[in-house]
Amino acid sequence: GAVVSQHPSWVICKSGTSVKIECRSLDFQATTMFWYRQFPKQSLMLMATSNEGSKATYEQGVEKDKFLINHASLTLSTLTVTSAHPEDSSFYICSATVAGGQNEQYFGPGTRLTVT
Amino acid sequence: GESVGLHLPTLSVQEGDNSIINCAYSNSASDYFIWYKQESGKGPQFIIDIRSNMDKRQGQRVTVLLNKTVKHLSLQIAATQPGDSAVYFCAENPFGGGFKTIFGAGTRLFVKA
Repeated sequence: GAVVSQHPSWVICKSGTSVKIECRSLDFQATTMFWYRQFPKQSLMLMATSNEGSKATYEQGVEKDKFLINHASLTLSTLTVTSAHPEDSSFYICSATVAGGQNEQYFGPGTRLTVT
Repeated sequence: GESVGLHLPTLSVQEGDNSIINCAYSNSASDYFIWYKQESGKGPQFIIDIRSNMDKRQGQRVTVLLNKTVKHLSLQIAATQPGDSAVYFCAENPFGGGFKTIFGAGTRLFVKA
């Protein structure tokens, strides 16, 4: 149980285009989802907290107009990287917490974004 | 700012030996700590957690120790196996921060056969 999926698993896009990444909780409802970014050989850095039906809360230094987050249902959150540039190339990982559960987060497998 | 950090960036152990990965945290308000394992190209995998009202918690081949006095967390892996090779992160949930999780820098564990 408590499986989180991400789609796509990898994507290559041209500079200036936008890319949407989906995060789904497959067998549970997720009140809260988190989006992380991880550069090579570095730790996960929290980008934003996404609550179903409300605006996402972004961490300091993360541009909310560039990284659009939508959490329209209890099982789906999307991250759209707008006007992507090569420096946005990274591993994007989402996680979800079980509605009504404890702190434990369940992580997706990640999405590798390469901007050329 | 407050952060969770690790003492050793890499650790190399012989197969069958025990591994100890250390972590120092600075947020005294954190009340929940987690160890994650991350293999290359994959998302973090939950290993074990501990709440601030505990000093020790054991799982299968893993033990987490929490020393709140010196703000130190450790992960012990017994009889380390090649499949344990990965990057290990400690993470914390600051009290009052909802389910927000802050990750430490990570330690890469190499298991030599």
